[in-house]
Amino acid sequence: QKEVEQNSGPLSVPEGAIASLNCTYSDRGSQSFFWYRQYSGKSPELIMSIYSNGDKEDGRFTAQLNKASQYVSLLIRDSQPSDSATYLCAVNGPLPGGSYIPTFGRGTSLIVHP
Amino acid sequence: EAGVTQSPTHLIKTRGQQATLRCSPISGHTSVYWYQQALGLGLQFLLWYDEGEERNRGNFPPRFSGRQFPNYSSELNVNALELEDSALYLCASSEVAISPLHFGNGTRLTVT
Repeated sequence: QKEVEQNSGPLSVPEGAIASLNCTYSDRGSQSFFWYRQYSGKSPELIMSIYSNGDKEDGRFTAQLNKASQYVSLLIRDSQPSDSATYLCAVNGPLPGGSYIPTFGRGTSLIVHP
Repeated sequence: EAGVTQSPTHLIKTRGQQATLRCSPISGHTSVYWYQQALGLGLQFLLWYDEGEERNRGNFPPRFSGRQFPNYSSELNVNALELEDSALYLCASSEVAISPLHFGNGTRLTVT
C-alpha cells in the first residue's frame, strides 16, 4: 500500500519568511507529484504539479522533487497570512493492474503570523 | 470553463437512511474520483470511475457505491448511514491518469 508522509505541524512562520513543507512517499514507481492547499472547511486547491527531478517554480512557490530519496518539498517565499492553510502532498503512479489512484498525505498545517 | 460541481452542498440525514451525492466533472474529463475527508483526517479514496466503468474502489464497505453516467457525471450512494459517515465528500476529475485532480467544493454530510 502506498504511503505519503507529512509532518502534521503546525508550522509557524513570520510574515515575509520562507515556509518549507516536506513530504516523503513509499512507492518508487510514483510518477506525478502534487501540492494542494486546503483552507478550513473548503476543498483542496491545486498549487503545483511536478513530474521530474529538480525544482519547479511558479510565482512564490517552488516545488522540489528527489525521486532517489523519495522526497518532495514545497517552498513558499515571502509568506503571507493568507497562506495560512493545510498543505496536502499527493502522489500518483500505476498500481498493480494499471489503476492510477492519487494518494494523499494527511497535510501540514501552516500558520503565517504578522 | 466550469470547474467540478457537486450537489448538494450540505446534506443532513438520520442513521439508517440513504444519501445520494452528485458530481459533474470538468468538461472533457472522463475520470471521476470520490474521496471522504472526516474531520481532522486525511483524504480517503472511495471510488474511481472512468469511461462509465468503476475502475477501483478503496477500503470501504459495499454500502458505499456509485455510478458514472454517459455524460461522465457521477453519483455516490451511501446506504444504511452510520454516524461515522459524517464527513466532507469530495469529488474530483482529471484529464488523464497522471494528471492532477481538480476538486469540487464538496458535500458536507451530517448523520444524526
